[in-house]
Amino acid sequence: GDSVTQMEGPVTLSEEAFLTINCTYTATGYPSLFWYVQYPGEGLQLLLKATKADDKGSNKGFEATYRKETTSFHLEKGSVQVSDSAVYFCALRDNYGQNFVFGPGTRLSVLP
Amino acid sequence: DGGITQSPKYLFRKEGQNVTLSCEQNLNHDAMYWYRQDPGQGLRLIYYSQIVNDFQKGDIAEGYSVSREKKESFPLTVTSAQKNPTAFYLCASSTGTLKITGELFFGEGSRLTVL
Repeated sequence: GDSVTQMEGPVTLSEEAFLTINCTYTATGYPSLFWYVQYPGEGLQLLLKATKADDKGSNKGFEATYRKETTSFHLEKGSVQVSDSAVYFCALRDNYGQNFVFGPGTRLSVLP
Repeated sequence: DGGITQSPKYLFRKEGQNVTLSCEQNLNHDAMYWYRQDPGQGLRLIYYSQIVNDFQKGDIAEGYSVSREKKESFPLTVTSAQKNPTAFYLCASSTGTLKITGELFFGEGSRLTVL
């Protein structure tokens, strides 16, 4: 079946450091790919998405590119802030649009 | 503003009691989902519904029940048969298979604690 793998956390960075959270997937066809963010005690919010190969999703300084050849969708940000501390989930929606598959989440802590 | 409303935000239950978590959406979405999240863990799918009056079991449906009598509403009942119900419950919705690239929209969650 379809699956999503993302790097284990927690990830701890200093403010203004560069962030990469790796995400790879296994799926048939051409799934849509998403990054979600979850702040403590809240639901998940969509951070960005990409729906076809080579698409780049971006939002609030975060970026991720849909790489079909490496089945990856790595999340990057050039300069993190303390307010970016949260749990980040990589996810896919399958080729038929019925099922969503989530990675286990990566906790990010940014220190001032 | 369109969105998903879950209630209550916090709920306490005694062992042996059934409780029902409410989920309402005004996004006109066909599909709705319930997930369970345990501390420090990812999401696990309990039930989902692609259309009114139809729903399917997810990965951990035992001890839970749902109904989908209206497009906007997808309540989840946690029954006494659920052995470890203390968790954070998330409701979500999406466009159905008519738009297969759409994302999931989430509610703010309901935290259930068994006393």
